[in-house]
Amino acid sequence: DVKVTQSSRYLVKRTGEKVFLECVQDMDHENMFWYRQDPGLGLRLIYFSYDVKMKEKGDIPEGYSVSREKKERFSLILESASTNQTSMYLCASDALAGHNEQFFGPGTRLTVL
Amino acid sequence: DQQVKQNSPSLSVQEGRISILNCDYTNSMFDYFLWYKKYPAEGPTFLISISSIKDKNEDGRFTVFLNKSAKHLSLHIVPSQPGDSAVYFCAARRMDSSYKLIFGSGTRLLVRP
Repeated sequence: DVKVTQSSRYLVKRTGEKVFLECVQDMDHENMFWYRQDPGLGLRLIYFSYDVKMKEKGDIPEGYSVSREKKERFSLILESASTNQTSMYLCASDALAGHNEQFFGPGTRLTVL
Repeated sequence: DQQVKQNSPSLSVQEGRISILNCDYTNSMFDYFLWYKKYPAEGPTFLISISSIKDKNEDGRFTVFLNKSAKHLSLHIVPSQPGDSAVYFCAARRMDSSYKLIFGSGTRLLVRP
């Protein structure tokens, strides 16, 4: 049974705090992704990684950074959280080759006060 | 600039009837399309997909139709069941950017008993 897990389901932080969101997958997938989901906007790609230590910006990378030190783990970092980063954050992974579905974690609901 | 659009934010159907969810896209470089289903407080789960070389793909109660000339795809659920009540996202992948999925904004389906 494939699994993508995220470190927290709910998180409340204050403006200016540094925030770490962790994601782990057990499927030996090469690709990992961070999205945010907002009402009326669907899922928007923040960053993705196609290999250890490799990363590429998605459509909305501003205010975020990522780290991938191990194949199974992909971290999203908010260097200085702001209220407009209040959102649902979803991690996903898929295999490198061909037409593959992405597998999603359960999401982290982040509130920045 | 939304490349994948789901123009109906919500849909309500009677149990046992057909549900039709629609999705339009603007980029002719998309070659693979997917539908995801999302329950509250859970990550999206893959439902069904279709390659651009096909015009129909069926899996049990779920059928996806692709009309390339109209740049339109639809998901049919027959018969609809109350457990189908969820948010449905369509997504598209570009042939020259195999990592990334572009998601629509989602349609909330309510199946009334």
